[in-house]
Amino acid sequence: NAGVTQTPKFQVLKTGQSMTLQCAQDMNHNSMYWYRQDPGMGLRLIYYSASEGTTDKGEVPNGYNVSRLNKREFSLRLESAAPSQTSVYFCASSESSGGTTGELFFGEGSRLTVL
Amino acid sequence: GENVEQHPSTLSVQEGDSAVIKCTYSDSASNYFPWYKQELGKRPQLIIDIRSNVGEKKDQRIAVTLNKTAKHFSLHITETQPEDSAVYFCAASRYNQGGKLIFGQGTELSVKP
Repeated sequence: NAGVTQTPKFQVLKTGQSMTLQCAQDMNHNSMYWYRQDPGMGLRLIYYSASEGTTDKGEVPNGYNVSRLNKREFSLRLESAAPSQTSVYFCASSESSGGTTGELFFGEGSRLTVL
Repeated sequence: GENVEQHPSTLSVQEGDSAVIKCTYSDSASNYFPWYKQELGKRPQLIIDIRSNVGEKKDQRIAVTLNKTAKHFSLHITETQPEDSAVYFCAASRYNQGGKLIFGQGTELSVKP
C-alpha cells in the first residue's frame, strides 16, 4: 500500500520551461490537493479537487494548471516556470467529500528549482 | 476566503516543559481544525484534530482547545520530549467545501534535552 506517490522528487528547470508534477493515490480517496511549501509561509493551497471531474482554485493558483485525470491521479502543470515557483510541492489526498473534511495524507514532496 | 494566523513562529522549551501554539482563523463558518507535525525532511502528518461541536480534545500528551467565539484554537503539548521537535501546522476548513484546508504559517518547536 503505497499511499500517495508523487514524481519527480527533484527537478531543476530554466525560466520559461514547462513541466508536470504527477501524483497518484491508492486509498480510493475522493479529494486531492496540491500545496507548495516555502520557508516561513507554511503550506499554501494551489488547487484542489473535491471529486473526480472537478477542480477548484486555492490560495495561490496563478501560474499553475491541474488535471484530475481519474479518481487516482491529480497532476500539476507549470506552463512557463518562473524563479518564484521554486518551492517544495506536496500532493495530498483525503476522504473528504461534500460536507466533511478528513485527514490529509501527503506524498513525500517534490523539490523544484527554477533558475 | 479563510485566513489562518499561527504564533509563535519559533518556540524553544526545555525537555519536560509544556509548549503552547496558538492559531486564529477568519471564517466563522470553519468547523474543522486539525494539527499536523512535520519532522525535518519528512511529509506533514496529522497528530490531532477537533471539530466545532467540541471545545477540547486530548490524546495522551497533546490536547487541542477551540474557542469559536474568539475564533482561535490552540495546541498544548505537555511533558515535552526531544522527539517532539518539529514544525507544527494548524489548519482550518469549513463544511461543504470539498475538504479545502487552509494552513497557518507553521511553528518550529525545539525541545532541548
